[in-house]
Amino acid sequence: DTAVSQTPKYLVTQMGNDKSIKCEQNLGHDTMYWYKQDSKKFLKIMFSYNNKELIINETVPNRFSPKSPDKAHLNLHINSLELGDSAVYFCASSLNYEQYFGPGTRLTVT
Amino acid sequence: DQQVKQNSPSLSVQEGRISILNCDYTNSMFDYFLWYKKYPAEGPTFLISISSIKDKNEDGRFTVFLNKSAKHLSLHIVPSQPGDSAVYFCAASALYNFGNEKLTFGTGTRLTIIP
Repeated sequence: DTAVSQTPKYLVTQMGNDKSIKCEQNLGHDTMYWYKQDSKKFLKIMFSYNNKELIINETVPNRFSPKSPDKAHLNLHINSLELGDSAVYFCASSLNYEQYFGPGTRLTVT
Repeated sequence: DQQVKQNSPSLSVQEGRISILNCDYTNSMFDYFLWYKKYPAEGPTFLISISSIKDKNEDGRFTVFLNKSAKHLSLHIVPSQPGDSAVYFCAASALYNFGNEKLTFGTGTRLTIIP
């Protein structure tokens, strides 16, 4: 049973396209997150949702829009993709301090 | 401004010996610290944590030490095993708002255990 799952695992697309990454957790956690790991392997928080409510938005461009249809899902939609968006995106969830991560989605923008 | 730093990008240790991974932080508001382990093509996995009110937490082969005055924490793995080869991330948590915590990660240390 996968606790935090993401789809797709790999995503290759051209500049200017719009794409979505889905995330689901079956841990019953209230809080979900999106992180970006860039080429320097730096893992940085993008968004945090608590019970479908946006809590953290870390100066992420407006082209990135998270959507939480329910407590178990937090999807990430990206408009007008740019080369600099190429990275690995991780979804996570937590009940308290400890966050549980999904396997990551490697996005490559060409 | 990197508030959590892991100054050693890599570390190699003989199997059976002790592995010591270090982490420094600058934000005195951090109140909880965590270590994550990451294998290639997988997400980070929670390993061990410590609250700022403690200076040591132990879980099997893993021990985390916290020195608040020095703003420094370390992860000790003993004895080191080949399966411990991975990238280790230090993370620190501070209260964000509405009771939610925010994790700030270091850049990671790649640990290689030599058989």
